[in-house]
Amino acid sequence: AQKITQTQPGMFVQEKEAVTLDCTYDTSDPSYGLFWYKQPSSGEMIFLIYQGSYDQQNATEGRYSLNFQKARKSANLVISASQLGDSAMYFCAMREGSSNQFYFGTGTSLTVIP
Amino acid sequence: DVKVTQSSRYLVKRTGEKVFLECVQDMDHENMFWYRQDPGLGLRLIYFSYDVKMKEKGDIPEGYSVSREKKERFSLILESASTNQTSMYLCASSLLLAGQETQYFGPGTRLLVL
Repeated sequence: AQKITQTQPGMFVQEKEAVTLDCTYDTSDPSYGLFWYKQPSSGEMIFLIYQGSYDQQNATEGRYSLNFQKARKSANLVISASQLGDSAMYFCAMREGSSNQFYFGTGTSLTVIP
Repeated sequence: DVKVTQSSRYLVKRTGEKVFLECVQDMDHENMFWYRQDPGLGLRLIYFSYDVKMKEKGDIPEGYSVSREKKERFSLILESASTNQTSMYLCASSLLLAGQETQYFGPGTRLLVL
């Protein structure tokens, strides 16, 4: 089974609007971490936000927030007030507490329309 | 700032050649990783290393080997390059800090095997 599932290959959003990128995960480990990365066309992966499985509150970093629904095993990324520079691929990832390995989804391509 | 560098951004090699991809990090991270990224497949782990001279296979180690003689350097070796190894190769390093382990990525190497 896939550890990380991103069901949206591509998304469009109007500049200044908010957008939600979906991510679901699969693990039986009670301790895990969830990550979102941004990959612009230049290729470099940029760390955006982290959510720990025991964190009580949803993580936020500037315009990025993570909508963590543990029972549903979902960790959606919300980008508020989209900017043209947000156009990129976005990857969701998970690290299980019992492993050194990170698991990545297939990514969502976000295009911000002026 | 964490800095992960990769020896080449673009590389063109011929089938059967031995290829070395070098990765260096300057933050004394213990864990280092090699991924390949292909459209629609996301990032797939080739090998990772959690200490000098230590290595573990990831999901797709066939056709690859690695070397970690020094903590800061993790090399990926294609013993005999084949056209199906044409891909984007990403190196990452990570450190477990306050219960969180975040990966930091290099800029990537786009390898074309002819």
